[in-house]
Amino acid sequence: DTGVSQDPRHKITKRGQNVTFRCDPISEHNRLYWYRQTLGQGPEFLTYFQNEAQLEKSRLLSDRFSAERPKGSFSTLEIQRTEQGDSAMYLCASSGGGRQSPLNTGELFFGEGSRLTVL
Amino acid sequence: AQSVTQPDIHITVSEGASLELRCNYSYGATPYLFWYVQSPGQGLQLLLKYFSGDTLVQGIKGFEAEFKRSQSSFNLRKPSVHWSDAAEYFCAVGTRGSNYKLTFGKGTLLTVNP
Repeated sequence: DTGVSQDPRHKITKRGQNVTFRCDPISEHNRLYWYRQTLGQGPEFLTYFQNEAQLEKSRLLSDRFSAERPKGSFSTLEIQRTEQGDSAMYLCASSGGGRQSPLNTGELFFGEGSRLTVL
Repeated sequence: AQSVTQPDIHITVSEGASLELRCNYSYGATPYLFWYVQSPGQGLQLLLKYFSGDTLVQGIKGFEAEFKRSQSSFNLRKPSVHWSDAAEYFCAVGTRGSNYKLTFGKGTLLTVNP
């Protein structure tokens, strides 16, 4: 399967612990996005990378959150000192190419998400 | 900033009946509009999208949507629902930049009765 993959799929942790999620985008895509989805809500934008550069961060991304995409391929999202309010599904998506690129279909391809439960 | 409203939290239809899911958006310019579907435990799958041109767009699985600028709406329709269509449906709006950051509605949960 060459879609977007996320790991782990489920993570249960105690409040105050650190957690890290990994996202492997579709290999030819240069854009990568993180979204958060809480129960009963639609996904909310967290941050966006073009290649290795983090170009935009939402105000939802507090100082306890950090995202990286060191070589422009996979990305990690780390949450430090987790709080119960961090419990959510963390979704990764990727898309391809600049405006003139044939990979640019305007579609975000989503992974299956990483569900975080903070006790 | 853009926003999306999906007025119906939960809709129940009988298999074979027609379906319309409502979506209203707020955005100062011509938007990019999307419908995604999410099955339990699954990621989001794109059903269809509108960028420009013909305001009636066809998608996968027999779905279609119509962009109505005057009503700021992008309602999703299907003439005959199948049991496998039971899922959560999200409408989303994107900006005319190059980053395709999407703003999603809260979703409509579709239940299909046999």
